[in-house]
Amino acid sequence: QVRLQESGPGLVKPSETLSLTCTVSGGSISNGDFYWGWVRQPPERGLEWVGIIYYRGLTYYSPSLKSRVTMSVDTSKNQFSLKLSSVTAADTAVYYCTRRAYSSGLIDYWGRGTLVTVSS
Amino acid sequence: DIEMTQSPSSLSASVGDRVSITCRASQSISSYLNWYQQKPGKAPKLLMYAASSLQSGVPSRFSGGGSGTDFTLTISSVQPEDFATYYCQESYSAPPGTFGQGTKLVIK
Repeated sequence: QVRLQESGPGLVKPSETLSLTCTVSGGSISNGDFYWGWVRQPPERGLEWVGIIYYRGLTYYSPSLKSRVTMSVDTSKNQFSLKLSSVTAADTAVYYCTRRAYSSGLIDYWGRGTLVTVSS
Repeated sequence: DIEMTQSPSSLSASVGDRVSITCRASQSISSYLNWYQQKPGKAPKLLMYAASSLQSGVPSRFSGGGSGTDFTLTISSVQPEDFATYYCQESYSAPPGTFGQGTKLVIK
């Protein structure tokens, strides 16, 4: 059974960088059948893709966040990470890490989510 | 970018009712359409993929249909545990694939 677990600070100051890590267990992040990604959900709002990464480092970022997002993968630790720079209150959200099938695009595993609040 | 529009945004139903949720794509996405269920405080859960394929473990009262631009998620007989928010997601375009805005199913 694949499990994804988000970790990182729950409070970030405006203009600083949000950093989250997702640890994958029960499966290898180097499995070429999957992308690994981040989806966020502002309070009382819908789901929004932040970006996805393939184990070889190929990335796709949300156009609206592209200038501020960096994702990376560490296959030795079976982890992938998100950095979102210059955050504002609009970046306050629950951030989910996900596993997305390479071919079909379905998301079959989600982390439990972590709330990140941007506030001074 | 492909836009996904769900209707209605909110839907009230009684236990035992048959309900349908529609998802419309701004351009053809063949059958690259997935549905998720999200309950309050929980991560979304995959219900249907490829428009009409039921994810393992999902009750058979859920069904999906459509292709091209118009898709439907149907619950044949709503159960108490089905009251939740439902999202469609296209996976036709370049990854990762746009979500619809969600449909909240509430108790009448």
